[in-house]
Formats: sequence, C-alpha cells, structure tokens
Amino acid sequence: ETGVTQTPRHLVMGMTNKKSLKCEQHLGHNAMYWYKQSAKKPLELMFVYSLEERVENNSVPSRFSPECPNSSHLFLHLHTLQPEDSALYLCASSQETGRGRETQYFGPGTRLLVL
Amino acid sequence: EDKVVQSPLSLVVHEGDTVTLNCSYEVTNFRSLLWYKQEKKAPTFLFMLTSSGIEKKSGRLSSILDKKELFSILNITATQTGDSAIYLCAVYSNYQLIWGAGTKLIIKP
Repeated sequence: ETGVTQTPRHLVMGMTNKKSLKCEQHLGHNAMYWYKQSAKKPLELMFVYSLEERVENNSVPSRFSPECPNSSHLFLHLHTLQPEDSALYLCASSQETGRGRETQYFGPGTRLLVL
Repeated sequence: EDKVVQSPLSLVVHEGDTVTLNCSYEVTNFRSLLWYKQEKKAPTFLFMLTSSGIEKKSGRLSSILDKKELFSILNITATQTGDSAIYLCAVYSNYQLIWGAGTKLIIKP
C-alpha cells in the first residue's frame, strides 16, 4: 500500500473523447506530480504541484490539462488525444519539493490507450 | 542536457545468482540519486544516495554511489523470483528528477 491511489486503472478512449484521470494521496504530502511512462523510455515529468500551485510544466501539449484543487487530490484532464499519447500515467507525491532530496511515492498508474 | 543511463537494459539470471545493475549520470547540479523497483505498475522506493562511498543496505539489496566517476550500482545477492522487476535509477538535478530507462531483471527458477 503506497498511500497513493489512482483511478481509473485502465482507460480506452477515442481521439475526440474527453476524460479525466484522478489521483489521491493519503500521506499528508504537499507536492504532487504527473509522469508519463512509455515502453522502454525514461519516465517523463509532466507537471509538478506544490501546495496546490503549479511549479513545473515541462512543455506538455495543451491537450493535457492538470488540476490540483487541494494538496491531496490531483487530476489530469484529457481531450483530443493522439494515439502516441497511449502510455502509463503515473501520479506521485512527496513531502515537499525543491530541495532535491525528496522521496517520491507513486500510485499504481492509469494505463491509457488512445484509439 | 541532463541524462541518466542504466545498463544493462535487460538481464536474465538464475535464482541464487548475484546481479549488479549500473547507473551512470551527467547532470548539471547533482543533489541525490534514487533507486526504485517497478514490478507491475507503481515504482517503489529502494534507496536514496547522497554521499560517495557510503553503502546503503536493505536485506539482500545494497547500493553505493561514486560521485567522482558519476555512477551508482545496485547489487542483489541470492536472487529470488520475486526480485524480477524493472529497476529504475533517477538523479535529482536542479531539484528535478531525471530518470533512466530502467533495467529489466528476470530471475529464472
């Protein structure tokens, strides 16, 4: 039990659909992250939130839209995705961010397939 | 450009063998190096290394960092089938984690 949950665990969507991924952390952390993991590639950081404010946005296409309503919840809103967006989307949290020594704790991920 | 390179990309050994996984890095501003194990979905934290030459140990797993030569190794002794996983290395540079592509380890009974 990592203390970070994600829903749904699997998602199939068409390119014209709109869907949302949800992440919740039960660890009392102040920072949350979205990563994209494609096969045989390093994890790609997409967004970082600290105390509900976005602190990092790594040139992610606008078809991905994050939302952090409070320090325990993080959403990733998806619209007009492309087949190359198919991947495992991982959420993580850490006590804080910005010191370079924070352990990040991961959720189980959402396996996304875009048709 | 910051990068983290893991080797080998994949490795198949028999139960009971000892394995060594490698992680080399070139980053702008090193802060720490982390190892994770990813079995099915969620990467789980193994070690954080910040100082050269100090071994971190947890059961059959151990890791050490060489900040002069810019690499770390993860050792697993007396491997078991439950050690089969992808092992991920990541380095904090300028407060952002830079990830390697991982080493896929398969332990055969």
